[in-house]
Amino acid sequence: KNQVEQSPQSLIILEGKNCTLQCNYTVSPFSNLRWYKQDTGRGPVSLTIMTFSENTKSNGRYTATLDADTKQSSLHITASQLSDSASYICVVRTGANNLFFGTGTRLTVIP
Amino acid sequence: DVKVTQSSRYLVKRTGEKVFLECVQDMDHENMFWYRQDPGLGLRLIYFSYDVKMKEKGDIPEGYSVSREKKERFSLILESASTNQTSMYLCATKGQIYEQYFGPGTRLTVT
Repeated sequence: KNQVEQSPQSLIILEGKNCTLQCNYTVSPFSNLRWYKQDTGRGPVSLTIMTFSENTKSNGRYTATLDADTKQSSLHITASQLSDSASYICVVRTGANNLFFGTGTRLTVIP
Repeated sequence: DVKVTQSSRYLVKRTGEKVFLECVQDMDHENMFWYRQDPGLGLRLIYFSYDVKMKEKGDIPEGYSVSREKKERFSLILESASTNQTSMYLCATKGQIYEQYFGPGTRLTVT
């Protein structure tokens, strides 16, 4: 069964700290994996895309990793800011162009 | 910049009413999508369209219909709204590298 699971469901961290969000998937055949950031009351916005051959990609303070063997991805946020408070959604695309969405991690950064 | 707009940010309707949610994009994308997003369930695909007047059912089409009379506009219709259709509705288009661009969302409450 094609599934995308994210952990933790929610996370509270102090401003300036780092954090790592996890995404495990059983989707096959794998095409790519995206991390989206969704601010409250807004639509998701793409942060990074990872293909099979990529194992690390950065976008500013966001760094995504992919281990295609273990079917795991992580999103690391460095020196968190209050504006990082959002939901982060992992989305996996199959070779047949189907999308599978994780349920998201709700991150709250507090001062 | 891709722009995807949705007709309303917040909407309150009564049970049994007919509801129209409209989505407009300005990037000449052929593919457009309607999702609903519920806590703990993530995004679920309702319908999508790959061309004018073409539509395909997603994972949860029951209780919904769609209309795509012009390339830039994709409408979601609730023929007879029910309380279990209270949700956040997100429209998206698909651009290059299969990236999905989301609208800001419409939070629909059916009372």
